[in-house]
Amino acid sequence: KQEVTQIPAALSVPEGENLVLNCSFTDSAIYNLQWFRQDPGKGLTSLLLIQSSQREQTSGRLNASLDKSSGRSTLYIAASQPGDSATYLCAVSGARGSTLGRLYFGRGTQLTVWP
Amino acid sequence: KAGVTQTPRYLIKTRGQQVTLSCSPISGHRSVSWYQQTPGQGLQFLFEYFSETQRNKGNFPGRFSGRQFSNSRSEMNVSTLELGDSALYLCASSFLKSGGPQFFGPGTRLTVL
Repeated sequence: KQEVTQIPAALSVPEGENLVLNCSFTDSAIYNLQWFRQDPGKGLTSLLLIQSSQREQTSGRLNASLDKSSGRSTLYIAASQPGDSATYLCAVSGARGSTLGRLYFGRGTQLTVWP
Repeated sequence: KAGVTQTPRYLIKTRGQQVTLSCSPISGHRSVSWYQQTPGQGLQFLFEYFSETQRNKGNFPGRFSGRQFSNSRSEMNVSTLELGDSALYLCASSFLKSGGPQFFGPGTRLTVL
C-alpha cells in the first residue's frame, strides 16, 4: 500500500529564507507527483506536477525534484514571503491496478513565513 | 476556463440524515475524483469516475456512494450520517484517464450534529 510521508510537519521561518520541504513515498510505481498548496479551510491549488520520467519542474520561485527510484521528492521555495504561508501537500498518482486514478497524500507541511 | 465547482459550499446535517454533494468538473474533463479531508486522517480517497464508470473506490463504508452523469458532473451521497462524517469533501477533475494533473474544487464543508 502506498504511503506518503512529509517532513517537517511544521516550519516557521523569517521572510527571505530559502526553504526545502521533503516528501517520501513507499511504492515507486507512480504516474506522477504533484505538490499542492492549501490555505485554511480552502481547496487545493496545484503548484507543480512532475511526471515519473522527469527529474524536476520549476515555476517561478518554486522548484520540485523527483527521485522515483529512492521514493523522494523535494519542494524548494526561494526567497520566501509571508504570502507563502499555507499547508503544502505532496501527492503521488497510482500507476497500476487498484491504485489507478487515485492520489495518495502526505499529511502536509504547515509553513509560516513571518515578516 | 472556469475551475472545478462544488455545491453547496457549507452544509449542516444531523445524525441519521442523508446528504448529496455535487461537483462540476472543468469543461472537457471526464475524470472526477472525490476525497474526504479530516484533521485526524488527512486526505483520503473516496472514489473516481471516468466516463460515467466508477473505476476505483477507497476504503469507505457502503453509506458513501457516487455517480457521474453524461456531462461529467458528479454527485456523491452519504446516507445515515454519523458524527465522524464531518469533514471537508473535495472533488478533483482531470482531462486524462490516468496520469494527468488533477485540479481541485473549493470543497464542501459538511458538519454533522
